[in-house]
Amino acid sequence: DAMVIQNPRYQVTQFGKPVTLSCSQTLNHNVMYWYQQKSSQAPKLLFHYYDKDFNNEADTPDNFQSRRPNTSFCFLDIRSPGLGDAAMYLCATSGTREAAEQYFGPGTRLTVT
Amino acid sequence: GQNIDQPTEMTATEGAIVQINCTYQTSGFNGLFWYQQHAGEAPTFLSYNVLDGLEEKGRFSSFLSRSKGYSYLLLKELQMKDSASYLCAPLDSNYQLIWGAGTKLIIKP
Repeated sequence: DAMVIQNPRYQVTQFGKPVTLSCSQTLNHNVMYWYQQKSSQAPKLLFHYYDKDFNNEADTPDNFQSRRPNTSFCFLDIRSPGLGDAAMYLCATSGTREAAEQYFGPGTRLTVT
Repeated sequence: GQNIDQPTEMTATEGAIVQINCTYQTSGFNGLFWYQQHAGEAPTFLSYNVLDGLEEKGRFSSFLSRSKGYSYLLLKELQMKDSASYLCAPLDSNYQLIWGAGTKLIIKP
């Protein structure tokens, strides 16, 4: 089945220790998104790629970086995690920017100790 | 600015009907999505409205009034598994989803 896969599902990192979250998709979608979601809050868009075109939201902290080496894979790097970065990180895809139904991976729950 | 307003929490009884309202203000409009999100899980697509009126899909229906900036999600024959958050998300002029914080729906037996 075509799907969006996120690894790991649960990640524990130490304060200030870099961490990378990964996302892969078998849907062959052009657009990939990274969201941060904290409890009882709306998903907050961090970045999106339209094919190789990278779009950084204005209020995304510099501590967050992203890479998309090919169509199928996308990575979220947190260079120096703080306690406030503990959240669920959601990867989503859509076929085109205009076909905006987004397909979500299961998410990675990040804990910062 | 862009703003989504939906109730924080609602409670309903198994077998009943519930309507979750959403009002929105966005820069441009290209349709509105409803997503369901169970606790600790990712959102899953429920419905998409781009024209005014009611879209029915099984037990779930979604309504849109573009002139009023208003949508609702109607859930019929409620089941315990419908306990979840329901997120309203209009699509702005840049085709970006503007997410509400969601309405937590609690179903009681």
